[in-house]
Amino acid sequence: SQQGEEDPQALSIQEGENATMNCSYKTSINNLQWYRQNSGRGLVHLILIRSNEREKHSGRLRVTLDTSKKSSSLLITASRAADTASYFCATDARDSSYKLIFGSGTRLLVRP
Amino acid sequence: EPEVTQTPSHQVTQMGQEVILRCVPISNHLYFYWYRQILGQKVEFLVSFYNNEISEKSEIFDDQFSVERPDGSNFTLKIRSTKLEDSAMYFCASSEDPGANTEAFFGQGTRLTVV
Repeated sequence: SQQGEEDPQALSIQEGENATMNCSYKTSINNLQWYRQNSGRGLVHLILIRSNEREKHSGRLRVTLDTSKKSSSLLITASRAADTASYFCATDARDSSYKLIFGSGTRLLVRP
Repeated sequence: EPEVTQTPSHQVTQMGQEVILRCVPISNHLYFYWYRQILGQKVEFLVSFYNNEISEKSEIFDDQFSVERPDGSNFTLKIRSTKLEDSAMYFCASSEDPGANTEAFFGQGTRLTVV
């Protein structure tokens, strides 16, 4: 099994609705980071939540972390068509190089 | 806002040729990484670099790959003899101090196509 698996794999919502994406992981972590990727483009950092934090907000984004369940969620409120992208969680797995392990991502489509 | 820059944005090369992908990390960052993403797949870790040496490499990062920080600003990934399966988007990333939970920032990527 892989570290950092998101669900759903794909999500289609109407503009103005909220979008919730979930991420599960397997090992102990230092932090969990969420990234956004527009089709074929770079990875844009959205938010980092430390292992001792439970919730974090940034604008329309809300991230939760439950280390007992090894899971995180990303909520985008009042979605816009411009939020259409793939969203990835990535865990910093407490090893010496601080590499990130990425999940498979959720493809979000926000319909105007 | 500081950003990680990568060049070129696209590279097409013949199988067996050498390619060098270039990255300029954010200037005060100390940890550098290469990742790759094969079309439609996950982003995969290749190598991490700190204090002028490789700190970790994945199974993908075999003898055909090498990294270098030739000066104070550039960070390069060299693939010595490209194979068709090396076709992917390659991302460079940097982080100031991940031990202090700082974010990793990624470049826009280099799309490598091996023909």
